Amino acid sequence: GDQVEQSPSALSLHEGTGSALRCNFTTTMRAVQWFQQNSRGSLINLFYLASGTKENGRLKSTFNSKESYSTLHIRDAQLEDSGTYFCALNTGYQNFYFGKGTSLTVIP
Amino acid sequence: GGIITQTPKFLIGQEGQKLTLKCQQNFNHDTMYWYRQDSGKGLRLIYYSITENDLQKGDLSEGYDASREKKSSFSLTVTSAQKNEMAVFLCASKTGYNYAEQFFGPGTRLTVL
Repeated sequence: GDQVEQSPSALSLHEGTGSALRCNFTTTMRAVQWFQQNSRGSLINLFYLASGTKENGRLKSTFNSKESYSTLHIRDAQLEDSGTYFCALNTGYQNFYFGKGTSLTVIP
Repeated sequence: GGIITQTPKFLIGQEGQKLTLKCQQNFNHDTMYWYRQDSGKGLRLIYYSITENDLQKGDLSEGYDASREKKSSFSLTVTSAQKNEMAVFLCASKTGYNYAEQFFGPGTRLTVL
């Protein structure tokens, strides 16, 4: 089965609101990377973390190795936040396993 | 900082044709990757390389060859393009023997007629 499960698969948010995206892992977690894929298809690095919490502007990510999950929190959503968000589990120096993504639509 | 470039941006081929995609990075990264992304789906690993002339197969390597000619470049060949195949091929790189983030190029969009 899949090593990385992302939820929800799709999400709609009104501008100014927030939500959390989640990745659950079924294998050893060393680190996780979060990306946003924009409308042009480019993958933008958001966070890479091996423990704890990181924050950048309206985004925050947490890594819980004990319970095998990571979350990406978005607050005060803006139209440019629309896109698909992927998490990738980093299990070894070279190995990354991607989830299937969460498609986010921010509604004016 | 650095950048990853992929050529061509768009690639249209005929069924059965051999097609080559190229990737260059100036991060001086050791490891490079090729992923395939089908429409609306996640990324699947085709090949990766941890150093010049090294090749490691991913889950999706059948139907593809790869070549790491030098540290900065990594090529992918579709050995026989399949009709109606449409996907985006993404190249990535990272530093070598440590836990570190991947960086991605803009992608090559393949269409097979």
